Amino acid sequence: SQTIHQWPATLVQPVGSPLSLECTVEGTSNPNLYWYRQAAGRGLQLLFYSVGIGQISSEVPQNLSASRPQDRQFILSSKKLLLSDSGFYLCAWSPGTGIYNEQFFGPGTRLTVL
Amino acid sequence: RKEVEQDPGPFNVPEGATVAFNCTYSNSASQSFFWYRQDCRKEPKLLMSVYSSGNEDGRFTAQLNRASQYISLLIRDSKLSDSATYLCVVNMDTGRRALTFGSGTRLQVQP
Repeated sequence: SQTIHQWPATLVQPVGSPLSLECTVEGTSNPNLYWYRQAAGRGLQLLFYSVGIGQISSEVPQNLSASRPQDRQFILSSKKLLLSDSGFYLCAWSPGTGIYNEQFFGPGTRLTVL
Repeated sequence: RKEVEQDPGPFNVPEGATVAFNCTYSNSASQSFFWYRQDCRKEPKLLMSVYSSGNEDGRFTAQLNRASQYISLLIRDSKLSDSATYLCVVNMDTGRRALTFGSGTRLQVQP
């Protein structure tokens, strides 16, 4: 069966510091991978998605970036965090074949920027 | 207009009640539809996919009305453990391979 991992689970960072969040998927090959952010009391906002190694699509302009160095690894980064970057960051995967598949989420990283 | 709209609630219902949530979507070319459940401070989890003919999974029934661009979720015999936020999710035919999430409807089942 497939599993998705995210770390760290929680993170408190000062404004201006760098960020690196990691997501890995097990039990599947060539998944589509996604990064979402959920601000407190709000809906999910898609940040990035990837259909393959090195292929990243950005949904919103911001100071975040994403990379996919391996088939089942997805990394979210920032060089300098802003207060507005606080939120619940969720990684998700869906089967690589087909466009209209459901997505499965990791446990998330709760980021607080102070 | 939001791409996926839901009543935020909260819906406060007693145990054993039947409750229905509705959702509308803006893109008539949307291809697939889902309901997710999200517990407080947890990740969303897939509850069920929504098929054109409607589908049922135990106490949960999902319906799709493409003509009205409307999706519903019916929960029968509510349990305390059903308390959560229910997210209406649509995969729109935009080539983005990404889902569009509603903001969710909060359900609180009371003893």
